[in-house]
Amino acid sequence: GDSVTQMEGPVTLSEEAFLTINCTYTATGYPSLFWYVQYPGEGLQLLLKATKADDKGSNKGFEATYRKETTSFHLEKGSVQVSDSAVYFCALISGGYNKLIFGAGTRLAVHP
Amino acid sequence: GAVVSQHPSRVICKSGTSVKIECRSLDFQATTMFWYRQFPKKSLMLMATSNEGSKATYEQGVEKDKFLINHASLTLSTLTVTSAHPEDSSFYICSAGGGREGTGELFFGEGSRLTVL
Repeated sequence: GDSVTQMEGPVTLSEEAFLTINCTYTATGYPSLFWYVQYPGEGLQLLLKATKADDKGSNKGFEATYRKETTSFHLEKGSVQVSDSAVYFCALISGGYNKLIFGAGTRLAVHP
Repeated sequence: GAVVSQHPSRVICKSGTSVKIECRSLDFQATTMFWYRQFPKKSLMLMATSNEGSKATYEQGVEKDKFLINHASLTLSTLTVTSAHPEDSSFYICSAGGGREGTGELFFGEGSRLTVL
């Protein structure tokens, strides 16, 4: 079945460092891809999405490009802030319904 | 503000008792809601799709008699963990869609942490 694999955390960075969180997927058909973020004590929030190959999703300085050839959707940010500390989940929808399949989540800790 | 609300946020119960968790969509009507279970340091596992006015659709491996789901109105879905045991202790999260099908525009509740003693 469909699945999402993302790098294990935690990822610990200093403020203003470059961030990459890897995400690859397995799916039949052509899935839509998402990154969700869960800040401490809060529910998940949609961070960005891409619905077709070569699309780039972006929000709050984060970017991810839908790479069909490598079945990847890596999350990047050029300069992280302490406020970016959270758990990041890569996810997909396949089949046209809003049923999300999540990766294991990657915890990011940013230090001043 | 939150558009999907869960209650209670934390619950502790004795083994063998049943616990009900509510999920409400606050600003929109949701014909479909999703229930997830989040294990420590692991991913969210989709448990079931809750359909208003009809039976829930359970994912493979999820016991429907153990996790009862009722979606009685367009703004409320409930998850009842029946005869809870310590292994049922977990973080349960619901979500509801405010966007078009397939868009992933889901709103998530804050989650409910269940501890079974």
